Amino acid sequence: EAQVTQNPRYLITVTGKKLTVTCSQNMNHEYMSWYRQDPGLGLRQIYYSMNVEVTDKGDVPEGYKVSRKEKRNFPLILESPSPNQTSLYFCASMSEAFFGQGTRLTVV
Amino acid sequence: AQSVAQPEDQVNVAEGNPLTVKCTYSVSGNPYLFWYVQYPNRGLQFLLKYITGDNLVKGSYGFEAEFNKSQTSFHLKKPSALVSDSALYFCAVRVNRDDKIIFGKGTRLHILP
Repeated sequence: EAQVTQNPRYLITVTGKKLTVTCSQNMNHEYMSWYRQDPGLGLRQIYYSMNVEVTDKGDVPEGYKVSRKEKRNFPLILESPSPNQTSLYFCASMSEAFFGQGTRLTVV
Repeated sequence: AQSVAQPEDQVNVAEGNPLTVKCTYSVSGNPYLFWYVQYPNRGLQFLLKYITGDNLVKGSYGFEAEFNKSQTSFHLKKPSALVSDSALYFCAVRVNRDDKIIFGKGTRLHILP
């Protein structure tokens, strides 16, 4: 079954504690992307990747890092999370036709 | 700069009536347009897209959307609404394959039994 898998689905963490949200797709897609969803703001793109070792900033990249060492995986890294990064995060692949189930992150 | 607007935060429609969720866009080239639906506690699901060709695009769950270049609109429609259509709907646009996708702020659709 074609899918995009994010982990974890829910995460509560403390300010400053580094965390990684994983994203994996099984469709051999080149394009992958991360979004955050906030009430009244819709989805805003954080980073995207056109292929392995190729990443670019989206609209709200500050405070985030990504890597694309292999085609199937596109992890989102928060080196020093802050409360304003509390949000619902989505990974997507292949021109955004496939989205993961989302990761609800709370930073306290 | 690219942008997409969904002018209604919420739309209420009686079950069985036709529904329309509005979307307008602003791009400097030819747009790729998308609609997605988000059910509670779920991810986004792709409904349909317009890239080129016929202005009327048919998608999943009986939805369709009409591309209107002169009005820069891409409204989502369904002839007869179901209570199960109640969800959050997002319109999105990109200019070419390598560009990022810009999402609207979403429209919450309530279908009243």
